Amino acid sequence: DSGVTQTPKHLITATGQRVTLRCSPRSGDLSVYWYQQSLDQGLQFLIQYYNGEERAKGNILERFSAQQFPDLHSELNLSSLELGDSALYFCASSVGAGGTSYNEQFFGPGTRLTVL
Amino acid sequence: DQQVKQNSPSLSVQEGRISILNCDYTNSMFDYFLWYKKYPAEGPTFLISISSIKDKNEDGRFTVFLNKSAKHLSLHIVPSQPGDSAVYFCAASGYGNKLVFGAGTILRVKS
Repeated sequence: DSGVTQTPKHLITATGQRVTLRCSPRSGDLSVYWYQQSLDQGLQFLIQYYNGEERAKGNILERFSAQQFPDLHSELNLSSLELGDSALYFCASSVGAGGTSYNEQFFGPGTRLTVL
Repeated sequence: DQQVKQNSPSLSVQEGRISILNCDYTNSMFDYFLWYKKYPAEGPTFLISISSIKDKNEDGRFTVFLNKSAKHLSLHIVPSQPGDSAVYFCAASGYGNKLVFGAGTILRVKS
């Protein structure tokens, strides 16, 4: 158990809908990351938050947005869902934001999103 | 643009033998490299890492080798055990903390 929790574990929805994925980081971690893993691919970095502020952005679609709340939990909002958005979405957390030295990331179990 | 590549989708090894998983990268700005292990229905778990200033790092049965000139790293598992069967991801980091992952290699250790 990494200490990172994600809810829900599974989500099935229809095209055009909007969903919210939730992540609670490990106690004491200030940074939260979101990654997407599509079929047979590696994890793709979406976005990073550090202590409530956006820190880094990857190939995140405009239909997707995220935020980190004062209690440090984070939510990833996916809207106007398409079939291609079906994937595993992982959240990770680390103590710091990184920079000149790497801060180890701990991953949650993921949310499996299926868009029908 | 795949900056981190794992060209072998799968690898099968006999218990007790060596498993060698390979990874290539293209971005010379990467300065930290990691291997993650993933079981079904779980998130990736950190296995071992190496900084670009080193060429080898060892932790028990796991050793990671880095060849900067070839932009290549490998993970050696000796001896391999059935419990090592999982998906192994190579990942790299540059400035900042985001990780760039390879597509993964499925390792099967046969008893």
